[in-house]
Amino acid sequence: EVQLVESGGDLVQPGGSLRLSCAASGLIVSNNYMTWIRQAPGKGLEWVSVMHAGGDTYYADSVKGRFTISRDNSANTLFLQMNSLRAEDTAVYYCARDQRGDYLDVWGRGTLVTVSS
Amino acid sequence: DIQMTQSPSSLSASVGDRVTIACRASQSVRTYLNWYQQKPGRAPKVLIHDISSLQSGVPSRFSGSGSGADFTLTISSLQPEDSATYYCQQSYSRPYTFGRGTKLEIK
Repeated sequence: EVQLVESGGDLVQPGGSLRLSCAASGLIVSNNYMTWIRQAPGKGLEWVSVMHAGGDTYYADSVKGRFTISRDNSANTLFLQMNSLRAEDTAVYYCARDQRGDYLDVWGRGTLVTVSS
Repeated sequence: DIQMTQSPSSLSASVGDRVTIACRASQSVRTYLNWYQQKPGRAPKVLIHDISSLQSGVPSRFSGSGSGADFTLTISSLQPEDSATYYCQQSYSRPYTFGRGTKLEIK
């Protein structure tokens, strides 16, 4: 069974940092386009970042320069390093497989990040 | 960025009704248009990709159509389990933007 499990969400103060993890089973992270999507409480979906199989990375303007997507091939895990966090980064963060750079066909259950003093 | 506009933002319909949700892009997205369903407290799930391709396991009452910048998701005969929020998404140009969602309630 293909599964993605996010972890690392927490309550953090503005300006703080957090690293999210997405552990994959049933698929090989390094062979796929892997994406982070977030959803603020009661709001819609926002595309955050993608890492292509070849290693290229892309970011939404709202997180560029503050967030870094990476992966550990040996652990088959995707990461999102989030620095200089702001209140508006508060959201459930989902990782998802981006099928052929087209649609998101496998999603994790999400992890909640709350940025508040 | 490509803006995705969905309408209506919410609707209420009865079991058995035919339901249509519209999605308009601010520019052509060619065939790169997807639809997702999200139930409360759950992750989104892809229903339709590339305008009209039904994702494996999705009931055939769901269908997608459109071209260029105007698209439609249709549920041919609404079922109780279809109560959810529906999002369109373009994957033509990064950032891969979503519509703001259509909340569908069953009467």
